[in-house]
Amino acid sequence: AQSVTQLDSHVSVSEGTPVLLRCNYSSSYSPSLFWYVQHPNKGLQLLLKYTSAATLVKGINGFEAEFKKSETSFHLTKPSAHMSDAAEYFCVVSDGGTYKYIFGTGTRLKVLA
Amino acid sequence: EAQVTQNPRYLITVTGKKLTVTCSQNMNHEYMSWYRQDPGLGLRQIYYSMNVEVTDKGDVPEGYKVSRKEKRNFPLILESPSPNQTSLYFCASRTGTYEINYEQYFGPGTRLTVT
Repeated sequence: AQSVTQLDSHVSVSEGTPVLLRCNYSSSYSPSLFWYVQHPNKGLQLLLKYTSAATLVKGINGFEAEFKKSETSFHLTKPSAHMSDAAEYFCVVSDGGTYKYIFGTGTRLKVLA
Repeated sequence: EAQVTQNPRYLITVTGKKLTVTCSQNMNHEYMSWYRQDPGLGLRQIYYSMNVEVTDKGDVPEGYKVSRKEKRNFPLILESPSPNQTSLYFCASRTGTYEINYEQYFGPGTRLTVT
C-alpha cells in the first residue's frame, strides 16, 4: 500500500532564508511523486514531479526536490523564501499498483518579513 | 483555454436532499478523479475513473456515487447528504489511462455545506 507522511504541519521561515518541507513516502511499486501548492482560497498548482528520470527535480518559482530511494524521501527545498511562497504544500504519491493518488496532510508555510 | 470546471462553486443544502456536483474537462483526458479536502487531513480521493464507463473507489467512497458516460464529464452524486460530507471538493483530470507519470489538473473547487 502507498502512503505519504509530511513531517511538519507548519513551517515558518524568514524572507530570504532557505525553505525545507519534508516528505516521506511508502510504495510497493516504482512511484511517481509530486508537490502541489495551494494558496489561500485557491486551487492546486503543480510545483514539480518525479517520474524515475533525474533524482533532482527542478520546478517552478525556484523550488526543487530530491528523490532519495534509500530514505524513501522527497523533500522540497528553495534557497531563498519569498513572501509570495506563503501557502499550503502537498506531497503526493502515485504508483502503478492502484493508480490512486495519495496526498499528504499538507505543510503550511509561513514567511516572515 | 485548457481547464477543469466545476459547478456549483458554492452549495448549502439540507440533510437528505440529493445533489450533483458537475465536473467537466476540455483536454480530452482519460483519467478523472474526485477529492475532498478537510482541515488537517489533506485531500482524500473519493472516486476515480480510468476512462469512459470505468470507475473505481478511492479511499473515502462511502456516501458518494459517480458515473462516466462521456469522456469530458465526471459528476459526483450525493444521494442523501449528511453533515459529515461538508467539505471542499475538487475534481481533477490527467492524460493517459495507466500512465502515472502525468500530473493532474485541478478544478477550482466546490464548497459544500450540509446542515
